[in-house]
Amino acid sequence: KAGVTQTPRYLIKTRGQQVTLSCSPISGHRSVSWYQQTPGQGLQFLFEYFSETQRNKGNFPGRFSGRQFSNSRSEMNVSTLELGDSALYLCASREGRGQGYDYGYTFGSGTRLTVV
Amino acid sequence: AQSVTQLGSHVSVSEGALVLLRCNYSSSVPPYLFWYVQYPNQGLQLLLKYTSAATLVKGINGFEAEFKKSETSFHLTKPSAHMSDAAEYFCAVSSFSNDYKLSFGAGTTVTVRA
Repeated sequence: KAGVTQTPRYLIKTRGQQVTLSCSPISGHRSVSWYQQTPGQGLQFLFEYFSETQRNKGNFPGRFSGRQFSNSRSEMNVSTLELGDSALYLCASREGRGQGYDYGYTFGSGTRLTVV
Repeated sequence: AQSVTQLGSHVSVSEGALVLLRCNYSSSVPPYLFWYVQYPNQGLQLLLKYTSAATLVKGINGFEAEFKKSETSFHLTKPSAHMSDAAEYFCAVSSFSNDYKLSFGAGTTVTVRA
């Protein structure tokens, strides 16, 4: 079974540009979450999508957005990039939400975004 | 609200020695607890998880953790460190009160000395 696939692995963007990151979850997993990892703030929750609907959102500005497609693949978008957006962005998937499903998430290898 | 505190941002052990990484959690409802490992330039790999079954949880690569409700702890141990255990380790908590979102600790970097 293929794992969680994130593309691209590395990105360099200029301040003010926008960027789109992609995540393909494990086959059969319908919940996709995104996390930002930085040395200063650690791992922070961005948002979760399930059945094409955003179910949870972290404390990030509106420049961060996402969506999920009918095949459960997800994208996140960051507009008007700032230097502080430089981070490792991790996608995680699990089969479902709530009780009765595995509570552990499977993570992808991440996309390393550098804003210059 | 839920949170995790990992005691010690860096731990250095000798090869063959015991690895002990400390994690304390805060949760107003029964928690689910996880340990993840991250190698350089990689994502997070699940080592083990506690989901209200046995309090002593065995994971991959010889790691295990014990859930102690009275101490609100979920410490990770491995009897004998190997060079390949050098990585960063994260403890995380989730619960239904937080809609099962993962809240992570700050992480502990493990260095293994030959």
